[in-house]
Amino acid sequence: DGGITQSPKYLFRKEGQNVTLSCEQNLNHDAMYWYRQDPGQGLRLIYYSQIVNDFQKGDIAEGYSVSREKKESFPLTVTSAQKNPTAFYLCASIGYAGTTEAFFGQGTRLTVV
Amino acid sequence: QQQVKQSPQSLIVQKGGISIINCAYENTAFDYFPWYQQFPGKGPALLIAIRPDVSEKKEGRFTISFNKSAKQFSLHIMDSQPGDSATYFCAASIQTGTASKLTFGTGTRLQVTL
Repeated sequence: DGGITQSPKYLFRKEGQNVTLSCEQNLNHDAMYWYRQDPGQGLRLIYYSQIVNDFQKGDIAEGYSVSREKKESFPLTVTSAQKNPTAFYLCASIGYAGTTEAFFGQGTRLTVV
Repeated sequence: QQQVKQSPQSLIVQKGGISIINCAYENTAFDYFPWYQQFPGKGPALLIAIRPDVSEKKEGRFTISFNKSAKQFSLHIMDSQPGDSATYFCAASIQTGTASKLTFGTGTRLQVTL
């Protein structure tokens, strides 16, 4: 089955710790995205990547970092600099230039304890 | 700056009724307008989408109406069913280089009652 796999589904982090969220896709898609979802605020773009070894900041990149060493993988690190990291994080991918349907993973719910 | 404004925030409709969700956008460079459906604890999934050269698109019980001059588009769900209870997001995208960037509305939580 082709799709996007996010792990873990639930993640708890202590204040001051960095944590990495995994996103893997086997759809052979070029572009990958990370969104943050908070109640009443919709989905906000954190980072996106069009090709391997290249990525751009989205609207709320502060306190986050990403890498794109492989086409299939786009991990997101939530650093200790992110002041309010508790949220639902969604990874998505889009196939190729000219298409716009985004496929989403099942999300990771991060809670700072 | 919120580029896509969505209303209402929540909606309760009786089974068999029509659900209507509205969105307005600001950036005239947007060239693709999808609607996503999200169930609790899941990722959003594409429901239906429209491009600005078309005023209406229908797929089953779901219809998008698009008004380019007013920069508004809406989702109509006919014969609403309890299984339609979910959060709906409108979005708009603009092509940047080889990637599309989706800008989402704030979402509408729809509840269809028996």
